[in-house]
Amino acid sequence: SQTIHQWPATLVQPVGSPLSLECTVEGTSNPNLYWYRQAAGRGLQLLFYSVGIGQISSEVPQNLSASRPQDRQFILSSKKLLLSDSGFYLCAWSVVGGYTFGSGTRLTVV
Amino acid sequence: TQLLEQSPQFLSIQEGENLTVYCNSSSVFSSLQWYRQEPGEGPVLLVTVVTGGEVKKLKRLTFQFGDARKDSSLHITAAQPGDTGLYLCASPRGRDDKIIFGKGTRLHILP
Repeated sequence: SQTIHQWPATLVQPVGSPLSLECTVEGTSNPNLYWYRQAAGRGLQLLFYSVGIGQISSEVPQNLSASRPQDRQFILSSKKLLLSDSGFYLCAWSVVGGYTFGSGTRLTVV
Repeated sequence: TQLLEQSPQFLSIQEGENLTVYCNSSSVFSSLQWYRQEPGEGPVLLVTVVTGGEVKKLKRLTFQFGDARKDSSLHITAAQPGDTGLYLCASPRGRDDKIIFGKGTRLHILP
């Protein structure tokens, strides 16, 4: 079966600390993968997407970066977190008719 | 830039009542997706509509795509507390299966 895993579920990090969020998918090959951030009142904002290993497209300039070291692995990173990086981060992959989302990571920068 | 406008933003009704939420755009949709998201979870795809005028039913949920493919509605019959959640509409934009989302309608069904 096709599944998507995202961790950790919650994270509290101090300002200036690094970040690494991981997303992996199972049961498919060469998926299109996406990182979204969901902030209160702003809906889901597309941050990065990847159509293959090493291929990353950024949608908005920001303090974050993404990497795809393996076909079914997508990583969201930051070298130094800002308060404004707080939010709910969602990984998704494209399936017929729409997206399948992971369960999300609630990041609080303090 | 295509924007998806969802209304109402919030809706709180009693169990057993009917309701309709809307998704509109100034541009034509190639297709339109509806998702439901519960607190602390990722959105879950409910349905995709593709053809103008299309109607799809999912138990007590009825999804309609406007004839001109610029609007869509979700009607819930006899709402239940389990219907509580954030309802998002979304549509493809550009290449690589990218999707844009509306801000959603937050629905609360009171028992």
